[in-house]
Amino acid sequence: EDKVVQSPLSLVVHEGDTVTLNCSYEVTNFRSLLWYKQEKKAPTFLFMLTSSGIEKKSGRLSSILDKKELFSILNITATQTGDSAVYLCAYVPLSGNTGKLIFGQGTTLQVKP
Amino acid sequence: SQTIHQWPATLVQPVGSPLSLECTVEGTSNPNLYWYRQAAGRGLQLLFYSIGIGQISSEVPQNLSASRPQDRQFILSSKKLLLSDSGFYLCAWSVVGAAEAFFGQGTRLTVV
Repeated sequence: EDKVVQSPLSLVVHEGDTVTLNCSYEVTNFRSLLWYKQEKKAPTFLFMLTSSGIEKKSGRLSSILDKKELFSILNITATQTGDSAVYLCAYVPLSGNTGKLIFGQGTTLQVKP
Repeated sequence: SQTIHQWPATLVQPVGSPLSLECTVEGTSNPNLYWYRQAAGRGLQLLFYSIGIGQISSEVPQNLSASRPQDRQFILSSKKLLLSDSGFYLCAWSVVGAAEAFFGQGTRLTVV
């Protein structure tokens, strides 16, 4: 059965710290891996990763995929209280045009001032 | 630009009562539509997806059903709610062939 496992499940840091969130997957037909940020309600899209070793970057956030070892990491540098959220990792299987997402459990990040 | 509307935002329903959650998308045509559920402290679980009007696929056996009466309208229903149906329900859409999905604001359902 395909699955996505995120670690740690929760994390508490102080402003200015750097954090690394992990996402490992065991899937049969890999297409892409996505990262989302969920603050209160709707998850918002962060990154889509399809190729190994190519870093995606947006401000203080960056992410990279390792298709050989089947994992991805999301880095946040110089964390701010506004980074507090649940970070969700999801993989997209090769399944025609359905666009289904298989999510991990999420990592709850709390950034203290 | 595309927007997705989902309502109501919160709902408290007694066990055994019916349910209808609605989701509409604007600014796009023929989107893929999805219903996800998020239990407390958990990731999102796909319940239903639809690639067109009247075409519904169910991912997990459950007490819920979905319908797509119009191209950009997706409805989640139940005839009789169970306590275990409580959770946070999210509607989402994606462009056909694209990987990323875009989510509505969610409905927090509490069955009492």
